[in-house]
Amino acid sequence: NAGVTQTPKFRILKIGQSMTLQCAQDMNHNYMYWYRQDPGMGLKLIYYSVGAGITDKGEVPNGYNVSRSTTEDFPLRLELAAPSQTSVYFCASSGGSEKLFFGSGTQLSVL
Amino acid sequence: EDQVTQSPEALRLQEGESSSLNCSYTVSGLRGLFWYRQDPGKGPEFLFTLYSAGEEKEKERLKATLTKKESFLHITAPKPEDSATYLCAVNGGATNKLIFGTGTLLAVQP
Repeated sequence: NAGVTQTPKFRILKIGQSMTLQCAQDMNHNYMYWYRQDPGMGLKLIYYSVGAGITDKGEVPNGYNVSRSTTEDFPLRLELAAPSQTSVYFCASSGGSEKLFFGSGTQLSVL
Repeated sequence: EDQVTQSPEALRLQEGESSSLNCSYTVSGLRGLFWYRQDPGKGPEFLFTLYSAGEEKEKERLKATLTKKESFLHITAPKPEDSATYLCAVNGGATNKLIFGTGTLLAVQP
């Protein structure tokens, strides 16, 4: 009964480093999303996918990349990390009803 | 511009003291309004979906209502375990993506 699993839970990066945030879901959902949540701000959509092999930009895609090679996995890649990418990142999935199932988040600090 | 505004930003209640949270929205062609609960250090958890004005949904001490411009989350006789941030989101407009509000942080004191 895992739902949406995100790893790691915490990470500290130096400016310019790269990393991949992992996200996996076991509900056979076609739709997957990456959001970032900053204090005092609503969740902002970074990228989303409507199925394996299909991805599209959300509201704040700059500095990020995604891939969707399988239905289950939707990793988020940060290239050349910047302090502005310090945030809490949430992965979510849905079966298409907009009822989203969220992971527990990754807290990322870029110093 | 599509927008979701939640108020108040924070609310402190005594156990048993009923109140309401507000979510006002401006979006063309609402396709759904969603309420989520978020506990510290966790991802949001789905509560309700409302699709049309006049619709109401209930779950334990929570009741969500919808008009053409806003939604209310009514909390009746809250308990400390109801303490959380409550997020509102709408699906509508040109993007067909969820637009989230900034949330209301609710603290219920025993």
